[in-house]
Amino acid sequence: DIQMTQSPSSVSASVGDRVTITCRASQGVNTWLAWYQQKPGKAPKLLIYAASSLQSGVPSRFSGSGSGTDFTLSISSLQPEDFATYYCLQANSFPRTFGQGTKVEIK
Amino acid sequence: EVQLVESGGGLVQPGGSLRLSCSASGFTFSSYPMHWVRQAPGKGLEYVSAISGNGVSTYYADSVKGRFTISRDNSKNTLYLQMSSLRTGDTAVYFCVKTLYDSGAYYYGYWGQGTLVTVSS
Repeated sequence: DIQMTQSPSSVSASVGDRVTITCRASQGVNTWLAWYQQKPGKAPKLLIYAASSLQSGVPSRFSGSGSGTDFTLSISSLQPEDFATYYCLQANSFPRTFGQGTKVEIK
Repeated sequence: EVQLVESGGGLVQPGGSLRLSCSASGFTFSSYPMHWVRQAPGKGLEYVSAISGNGVSTYYADSVKGRFTISRDNSKNTLYLQMSSLRTGDTAVYFCVKTLYDSGAYYYGYWGQGTLVTVSS
């Protein structure tokens, strides 16, 4: 199975800050990686797929990059509604595997 | 508008069985592989099972293989997860997920609201 390791596990930031989350795969996944945002009690929401493609309706302050084993999700200017937990997902092979999550908290 | 509505969750004793359903609308159901993903209370996301659009191919996480069966009825636009020999570790919210295809890979494009399964005596 491909292991996905996210860092940091949590980050405290202020509105307007730039936040970067990284995800490392235990083996190459090409660009077959997605990022999700989840708020408490809600289903995850797709933000980025194919490592860098922005899902329709997602604000442009979200961006993704990377290929192979190393990926990043960036939020250029954190907004109040962005405080949530973020997960990466590899779509290279079965079983699908997620990172352990990164909680973005208010400083 | 895509809608996925899960049902069938509830409280069940260890060793018991439960069948989850996911009613889909707003897209051509038979054209999309579908997945089940779960989330234990306070924990992260875990892939459970997947099924191809025509229902011929199925896939399972090792943790549920031999105990869970995924199926679909394309005439009813409904996805199922038959769960048996349930364990306390299966306690989770179970999400039905519609895939999104792009350049050779299927991602989790849209999620239902989830249904809670609690395995406890």
